[in-house]
Amino acid sequence: SQQGEEDPQALSIQEGENATMNCSYKTSINNLQWYRQNSGRGLVHLILIRSNEREKHSGRLRVTLDTSKKSSSLLITASRAADTASYFCAPAAGANNLFFGTGTRLTVIP
Amino acid sequence: GAVVSQHPSWVICKSGTSVKIECRSLDFQATTMFWYRQFPKQSLMLMATSNEGSKATYEQGVEKDKFLINHASLTLSTLTVTSAHPEDSSFYICSANDRGDSSYNEQFFGPGTRLTVL
Repeated sequence: SQQGEEDPQALSIQEGENATMNCSYKTSINNLQWYRQNSGRGLVHLILIRSNEREKHSGRLRVTLDTSKKSSSLLITASRAADTASYFCAPAAGANNLFFGTGTRLTVIP
Repeated sequence: GAVVSQHPSWVICKSGTSVKIECRSLDFQATTMFWYRQFPKQSLMLMATSNEGSKATYEQGVEKDKFLINHASLTLSTLTVTSAHPEDSSFYICSANDRGDSSYNEQFFGPGTRLTVL
């Protein structure tokens, strides 16, 4: 299957702590993308990491990619209550289609 | 930039009626538009991919006669749920690729349409 699988399924942390979410996939990829979804809303693109990149930063977000292990991680540093959302990874194999996993539901407690 | 809108944001209809959902790219031309369905606390499931001026490509298990997709222009795609039934109640989300950035397949998502079939 092309879809990503996120781990853990749910994560609850205190505000200010770091949150780490992992993604595993099975196929070869062109790039891997992370998205956020607030409850009942559409998805927001967070970051895209290409297959030849190992790490990428965007603000408080840090994404790593290990193509040999077919895994990626998303780290959110200094979490805020507003970071509460579901986070999805989407491995992209070069075609347009993205296949999402079930996501990680992050709860940041104020 | 790269804003995608959907209309309506929510709709309630009677069983047996048809419902049309619009997806528009507001400030860019979309090479491809995608339609997803999401049940509560579940992932987005890709239903179909549509390219402007051509027939949509449906994912396995999605009935093309049930979910009619029209992609008449580079900024508009519509999904019509025909003869809707309660099991079609779901959150429908569209997304689009920016035609001017074809090197990557980043998708821009609409806010979603919540369909409730009574």
